[in-house]
Amino acid sequence: GDSVTQMEGPVTLSEEACLTINCTYTATGYPSLFWYVQYPGEGLQLLLKATKADDKGSNKGFEATYRKETTSFHLEKGSVQVSDSAVYFCALSVNTNAGKSTFGDGTTLTVKP
Amino acid sequence: NAGVTQTPKFQVLKTGQSMTLQCAQDMNHNSMYWYRQDPGMGLRLIYYSASEGTTDKGEVPNGYNVSRLNKREFSLRLESAAPSQTSVYFCASSELRALGTSYTFGSGTRLTVV
Repeated sequence: GDSVTQMEGPVTLSEEACLTINCTYTATGYPSLFWYVQYPGEGLQLLLKATKADDKGSNKGFEATYRKETTSFHLEKGSVQVSDSAVYFCALSVNTNAGKSTFGDGTTLTVKP
Repeated sequence: NAGVTQTPKFQVLKTGQSMTLQCAQDMNHNSMYWYRQDPGMGLRLIYYSASEGTTDKGEVPNGYNVSRLNKREFSLRLESAAPSQTSVYFCASSELRALGTSYTFGSGTRLTVV
C-alpha cells in the first residue's frame, strides 16, 4: 500500500535558521505530493504541491522538489520566522485511489525568537 | 468564504451517548472524507465518500457510521461513544478526478468522551 514517512519531531529552531523536514514515500501508482500546514487550533491547509517528477512546489518561502529517483519530497525554508511554528504534514495521492490521500504523522516545528 | 464547515467545534459526551458530527462543503467537490487526529498518530481515515450516493470504510471505521446526505453534506455518527473516541475530527473534501487536487479541510471538532 501507499505510505509516507516524515522525519520525527519536534523540531526547534531559532528565528532565521534554515529548515529541512524530510519526507519519503512509497506509492503503488504515480502520486501527486503535498505539504500541508496546521496552525494551533486550526485545520490543515495546503502549503504547496507537485504533480510530477522534478516539479518544485513553493509558497510563503517554503519549497519542495518532487524527486522520483529517491522517492522524496523534502520541505525547505531558508529563514524561518516565529509565525512558521506549526505542524507540517507530508501527503500523497494517487488518482486511481478514489482520491484518498495518505498522510505522514506530522512534524511539529517551533521557532523561537 | 468558500470552504468546509464543521459543527460543532467542541463537544463533551458521556460514555454511551450518541451524536452526529456535521460537515458541509460549498465547492461542488465530489469526494468527502472524515479523519481523526490523535497525538503521535497523525491523521487516520475513518470513512470516505468518493461521490454522492457512495460511502466506504477507511482505516479505522469501527464505532462510526456515515451518511452522504447530498453532494454538499457528509455526516459522521457515533452511536455509543467510548473514551477511545476522544479525538479531534476533521472533515475534508476534494475533486476526485482532477490530478493533483488537494484536500480542503474544515476547522475540526474537538470531542471528549468521559
